Amino acid sequence: DGGITQSPKYLFRKEGQNVTLSCEQNLNHDAMYWYRQDPGQGLRLIYYSQIVNDFQKGDIAEGYSVSREKKESFPLTVTSAQKNPTAFYLCASSINRDREKAFFGQGTRLTVV
Amino acid sequence: AQRVTQPEKLLSVFKGAPVELKCNYSYSGSPELFWYVQYSRQRLQLLLRHISRESIKGFTADLNKGETSFHLKKPFAQEEDSAMYYCALMDTGRRALTFGSGTRLQVQP
Repeated sequence: DGGITQSPKYLFRKEGQNVTLSCEQNLNHDAMYWYRQDPGQGLRLIYYSQIVNDFQKGDIAEGYSVSREKKESFPLTVTSAQKNPTAFYLCASSINRDREKAFFGQGTRLTVV
Repeated sequence: AQRVTQPEKLLSVFKGAPVELKCNYSYSGSPELFWYVQYSRQRLQLLLRHISRESIKGFTADLNKGETSFHLKKPFAQEEDSAMYYCALMDTGRRALTFGSGTRLQVQP
């Protein structure tokens, strides 16, 4: 069953702790993205990667880090430097020749207490 | 910088009524615009793209460069159209999508 999988669905962390959100795809897509979704603000781009071992900052990269060591995986780490980490996080992927058609995961809701 | 604006957070209509979801954009280059939809308990997915000028599930959207708009329209709303709709713009430099804040469409019976 092909697709893009985010885990876990819900995540709770204490303030000051780093946390890593998983995103895996078996669609053989080249590009992967992380978005943050907050009520009334839509989706904002955190990081994106067009190819393995390469990634770029999006619009709200501060307090986040990523890696792209494998084509199928693009984990996002929310660090303690992120001032407002509680949010819904969406991962997406697309093939290079059709970037407009992004395939999204189900999302991870992170709550920092 | 590119920007996508969806002025309505919620649009409520009755079944059979026409629907227009508004989207305005600002972009210095030649825009590539899209509508994404998220039905309840489903993933966000591409609905249509302006370049193909297609009609999907009865929805159409016309790019108006003069008004910098890309409104989504359907002549007769159905209850199954109830969902969250996002307008998106492709940043051709980054090859990544910029999304609007979304509009929730409620179609009442």
